[in-house]
Amino acid sequence: GAVVSQHPSWVICKSGTSVKIECRSLDFQATTMFWYRQFPKQSLMLMATSNEGSKATYEQGVEKDKFLINHASLTLSTLTVTSAHPEDSSFYICSARTSGKYEQYFGPGTRLTVT
Amino acid sequence: EDKVVQSPLSLVVHEGDTVTLNCSYEVTNFRSLLWYKQEKKAPTFLFMLTSSGIEKKSGRLSSILDKKELFSILNITATQTGDSAVYLCAVFNSGGSNYKLTFGKGTLLTVNP
Repeated sequence: GAVVSQHPSWVICKSGTSVKIECRSLDFQATTMFWYRQFPKQSLMLMATSNEGSKATYEQGVEKDKFLINHASLTLSTLTVTSAHPEDSSFYICSARTSGKYEQYFGPGTRLTVT
Repeated sequence: EDKVVQSPLSLVVHEGDTVTLNCSYEVTNFRSLLWYKQEKKAPTFLFMLTSSGIEKKSGRLSSILDKKELFSILNITATQTGDSAVYLCAVFNSGGSNYKLTFGKGTLLTVNP
């Protein structure tokens, strides 16, 4: 149980374009989803937290207009990187938890390369 | 500011050795501490600890939490090359209406044959 999937697993896009990453909880209701970014040899950095049906809460330093998060259902959240630049190239990981539980389950991650 | 500190940052051992990884934390409104193993992709969940002094065990891995001293350890006995990974400690705490997970930088464990 507690499986989280992400799509795509790997994407290359040109500078200036937008990319959408999907995160799905397959066998549980994800009342809260988290989006992380990880640069090589660094730990996971939380970008934003989203509760189903509410606006996402962004961490300090994360531009909400650049990283659009939508959590419209209990099984799906999306992260859209708008007007991507090479410095946005990173490993993006989502995780999900359900209300009342502290365990957080991670998706397999999406490697974004912006050329 | 919430802080999670892991030590050592990296460790190289031989197969069969026993290792102890450390995690200390300073956070507001502590809820639980979690250990993850990260190989090439996203972290996989190992343990969640909420109570002090109660050891959690899974095969050769075990972990314990000390809420008074604000730390946890992860033990791996009889290490194997497949244990090579980054081990992440994270603390789940609440702030306002949100819960969040704060990660340490991780310990890179390399197990040589």
